Amino acid sequence: QKEVEQDPGPLSVPEGAIVSLNCTYSNSAFQYFMWYRQYSRKGPELLMYTYSSGNKEDGRFTAQVDKSSKYISLFIRDSQPSDSATYLCAMTSGTYKYIFGTGTRLKVLA
Amino acid sequence: EAGVTQSPTHLIKTRGQQATLRCSPISGHTSVYWYQQALGLGLQFLLWYDEGEERNRGNFPPRFSGRQFPNYSSELNVNALELEDSALYLCASSLPGPADSPLHFGNGTRLTVT
Repeated sequence: QKEVEQDPGPLSVPEGAIVSLNCTYSNSAFQYFMWYRQYSRKGPELLMYTYSSGNKEDGRFTAQVDKSSKYISLFIRDSQPSDSATYLCAMTSGTYKYIFGTGTRLKVLA
Repeated sequence: EAGVTQSPTHLIKTRGQQATLRCSPISGHTSVYWYQQALGLGLQFLLWYDEGEERNRGNFPPRFSGRQFPNYSSELNVNALELEDSALYLCASSLPGPADSPLHFGNGTRLTVT
């Protein structure tokens, strides 16, 4: 079993839809959770960074962490074609070791 | 604030040659990480440098090596290149101590081995 599982997609949604992206993990020691957006031929761009359980909102993006279920989510409201990219989740227990999901490809249709 | 910068953007080498990739971290970041992202695969951890020292390495052969300079910039060297080394090599930096400090990535160097 992988430490982090992420559906590869692709996920296609119409412009304006609410997008839900998810990762599950197995290591209960993970405390820091990140979401990155990666456009084709670019490096991952940090979108959200959260510690422990709870919600964090930044503009159209909301990150949720449920440590009891070992489940994290990223919600994108009012999705735009420019949101079309691959979204990576990542997590760490606080050591050098960051574990990444394999990424979900998102396509927002105009 | 300038982000993580990597050079060159693209690099084409032939099998058996050596490649050198460079990375400048965000100002104030002392930790530098190197990852390999091969087509269709996730990010594979290569190396971690902090305060000029190699702190940990991933499951890669010794022909993958690097160093960190006193100004915290770093280079990754890949010797005896093989075709399967073709990938996007990403550098990331973070504040001192990985706890409570997310990784910030550069745009990578795309290495093609022919």
